[in-house]
Amino acid sequence: QKEVEQNSGPLSVPEGAIASLNCTYSDRGSQSFFWYRQYSGKSPELIMFIYSNGDKEDGRFTAQLNKASQYVSLLIRDSQPSDSATYLCAPRRAGSYQLTFGKGTKLSVIP
Amino acid sequence: EADIYQTPRYLVIGTGKKITLECSQTMGHDKMYWYQQDPGMELHLIHYSYGVNSTEKGDLSSESTVSRIRTEHFPLTLESARPSHTSQYLCASSEFARLETQYFGPGTRLLVL
Repeated sequence: QKEVEQNSGPLSVPEGAIASLNCTYSDRGSQSFFWYRQYSGKSPELIMFIYSNGDKEDGRFTAQLNKASQYVSLLIRDSQPSDSATYLCAPRRAGSYQLTFGKGTKLSVIP
Repeated sequence: EADIYQTPRYLVIGTGKKITLECSQTMGHDKMYWYQQDPGMELHLIHYSYGVNSTEKGDLSSESTVSRIRTEHFPLTLESARPSHTSQYLCASSEFARLETQYFGPGTRLLVL
């Protein structure tokens, strides 16, 4: 079992819809969870992080965490073509500074 | 806003050459990282540093070496480049005060012929 699993996609959604990106992780010691966006050929850029169970909202983005189910998700409301990118999930274990990256989900927002 | 720089951005070099990929950050972050990423694949940690004179190898075995003699500078060196080293190399930094959020540089695309 991979440490971090994400559906590689592509996930296609129409412009204005909600995109839902999912991530499961195997390390129960994971404490905080980071979402990065990576455009093709570019480096990852931070969208947001979450460390408490429940929802955390930042603009059009909402991260959801369920540690009991070892599941974290990212919702993108009112999706725009500029949101088309690969989204990386990266848990961080308690006491560690390192992130473990998933392979990412490729999102395509169709105008 | 993250200020982390990598040079060169693109490098095409012949087999057997020695190369150094530069990474600098102006944020005073104590921790720095090097990742390797092939197209469509996940990032793999190859080296990290928790401070000056501290370096460790990451999860992915790499023939490269790193040094950290200044907080802001974390260069990666390949003594003898091979085609198998062709990849994108990403440098990142983080600090405790920001929950160790990692900020990435623009990356170096390396092609070894």
